[in-house]
Amino acid sequence: KQEVTQIPAALSVPEGENLVLNCSFTDSAIYNLQWFRQDPGKGLTSLLLIQSSQREQTSGRLNASLDKSSGRSTLYIAASQPGDSATYLCAVRYNFNKFYFGSGTKLNVKP
Amino acid sequence: DTGVSQDPRHKITKRGQNVTFRCDPISEHNRLYWYRQTLGQGPEFLTYFQNEAQLEKSRLLSDRFSAERPKGSFSTLEIQRTEQGDSAMYLCASSLRVDTQYFGPGTRLTVL
Repeated sequence: KQEVTQIPAALSVPEGENLVLNCSFTDSAIYNLQWFRQDPGKGLTSLLLIQSSQREQTSGRLNASLDKSSGRSTLYIAASQPGDSATYLCAVRYNFNKFYFGSGTKLNVKP
Repeated sequence: DTGVSQDPRHKITKRGQNVTFRCDPISEHNRLYWYRQTLGQGPEFLTYFQNEAQLEKSRLLSDRFSAERPKGSFSTLEIQRTEQGDSAMYLCASSLRVDTQYFGPGTRLTVL
């Protein structure tokens, strides 16, 4: 059974701090991995997509890495801001048709 | 704004009633997905369409659930004889081929 785990479940940091969110998956035969942001009561916003052949992707202050052999991905957020407060979800695609999501990390960046 | 729209945004119904949700994907996207999300959890896959064909359904999709995508454009998700356990956020996403999934704002269902 494919499982996706995100640690920590919640994180509170002061503004300006660099932080790392973790995602692990049990089956390394992934097709790609996507990081999303979700604000309360809203849909998901795509942040970064990493193909299985890639090691990392960057967008602005965000950097996502992928290590298939160890079944791990990390999302690095540099110089965090209060506007980054949200729930961050990772999703692993194993075939053409569906993603398996983790339960998310709820981030609070304090001013 | 991702371009995927869902209607209604909120639905309150009594147990035993039928409800139908609509999803309009980004126009050129041929793939459409339905997910269900409960509080504090990540979305769980329900079903997937490529064009008008429903190619995969989760075991979560009981006989009371049915989804359609006529003409490969918008999609509907119907829940018959709703139960309190059906209360959740229902999310729709679309993509072009196996690229990034773009999500709609979701429909929040409350079954009383």
